[in-house]
Amino acid sequence: GQQLNQSPQSMFIQEGEDVSMNCTSSSIFNTWLWYKQDPGEGPVLLIALYKAGELTSNGRLTAQFGITRKDSFLNISASIPSDVGIYFCAGLLNNNDMRFGAGTRLTVKP
Amino acid sequence: DTGVSQDPRHKITKRGQNVTFRCDPISEHNRLYWYRQTLGQGPEFLTYFQNEAQLEKSRLLSDRFSAERPKGSFSTLEIQRTEQGDSAMYLCASSQGFNQPQHFGDGTRLSIL
Repeated sequence: GQQLNQSPQSMFIQEGEDVSMNCTSSSIFNTWLWYKQDPGEGPVLLIALYKAGELTSNGRLTAQFGITRKDSFLNISASIPSDVGIYFCAGLLNNNDMRFGAGTRLTVKP
Repeated sequence: DTGVSQDPRHKITKRGQNVTFRCDPISEHNRLYWYRQTLGQGPEFLTYFQNEAQLEKSRLLSDRFSAERPKGSFSTLEIQRTEQGDSAMYLCASSQGFNQPQHFGDGTRLSIL
C-alpha cells in the first residue's frame, strides 16, 4: 500500500529553537495534512495543503506541499513547551482514504 | 462543544466478548471515518461512510468487525469475539465532503484482558 515515511522519529530541542520535520512517499497524494496528537487524545488538525507547491502558515507553523505531490514538510519556529507532542503527516488519496506517517515525537526542554 | 464525540473513552473487556463503540460526528459533516491506532504508530484507516452508505472498507476490517451509520448521523463500530490483537485506540473522524480535512474525536481505548 501507499506508505508515508516521516522523519525524524523523535526530536529533543531547547525552548526557542526552530524545528523541521518532513514526510515522503512513493505515491502521489491529492492533499497533505499535518496533525498534532497529545497523550490520550485524538489528532488535532494543524494545517491542510491542497495544491502542489503550496506554502501555508498557521501562527508559528509553516508547511509546504511538495511540487511532485509526494512530500511535505512542517516547520515550527521559536518552539515553546506546549509544542510537545506527536506530529503526524497524512496524505489523502483519490478515494478519500487517508494514510498517516508514523509520527515525530517532539520534546521541548524549557 | 461541537467537535467529534466518542463513547466510551475507555473499554476493558475479556477476550471473546463483543464490544460496541459510538461516534457522533460534527453535525454538518456528511462523511464519517473509523481508524485504529496502536502504540507508536499513526492511525490506520478502517472504513468510511458518506451519509448512511458505507463506501469503503480496509482489509484490516476482518469479518469480526462491523460498522453502521443507520441514519447518516452517528455511527457504531462493533467488534465480535474480541482477540488480544484488537487492543488499540479506535478513532472516529468526520469531514464536510470529498478532499476536505478530517477532524478527529478523542478515541475509545480498548484493552483486551
